Amino acid sequence: LAKTTQPISMDSYEGQEVNITCSHNNIATNDYITWYQQFPSQGPRFIIQGYKTKVTNEVASLFIPADRKSSTLSLPRVSLSDTAVYYCLVVGYYGGSQGNLIFGKGTKLSVKP
Amino acid sequence: GAGVSQSPSNKVTEKGKDVELRCDPISGHTALYWYRQSLGQGLEFLIYFQGNSAPDKSGLPSDRFSAERTGGSVSTLTIQRTQQEDSAVYLCASSLVRGNGNTIYFGEGSWLTVV
Repeated sequence: LAKTTQPISMDSYEGQEVNITCSHNNIATNDYITWYQQFPSQGPRFIIQGYKTKVTNEVASLFIPADRKSSTLSLPRVSLSDTAVYYCLVVGYYGGSQGNLIFGKGTKLSVKP
Repeated sequence: GAGVSQSPSNKVTEKGKDVELRCDPISGHTALYWYRQSLGQGLEFLIYFQGNSAPDKSGLPSDRFSAERTGGSVSTLTIQRTQQEDSAVYLCASSLVRGNGNTIYFGEGSWLTVV
């Protein structure tokens, strides 16, 4: 399984850019990297997904280096409402050896005024 | 439906009783997943279904836990003889197919409290 490692927590202030890095050293060729956001008392929700290089959507950017052994979620100009737990997930290829969708412990982001 | 639907949203049960938690995945999604999340903890994978089949049940915490899926749609997670340590939120998720970069969508969870 492609185990992921993230910082347990991060603090930031409103308006700052936040970068959360995830390590996935044994990622497989067919794996995708996906990030989820979870607010208290809610189920996780999809933020962004990528395979290599850079992906950007209206919420975040995802940077993946050439070796794909890590990825960085970038949240531009965070607000208080971005306070949440962020999970990095390596999505295994159907029928492949990567098994199930295993979430790590996530990074608890606290945004302060 | 528009999203993954779970019921009940909240359940308080006495220790030793059985409970059933239901999940209605997004229409057309063939893959379905169950996770458990204890207070302040990460997501613990329990089981997944591809269609009606559950290839790997090793994530289920004990033999008191079982799950089934019928018609490739609704799934039920059953916990027999509940214990206090079973108290958690049980999250269901679905995706179009399993893996291959398909996004998985979560329901809001079923909050179980065993007293």
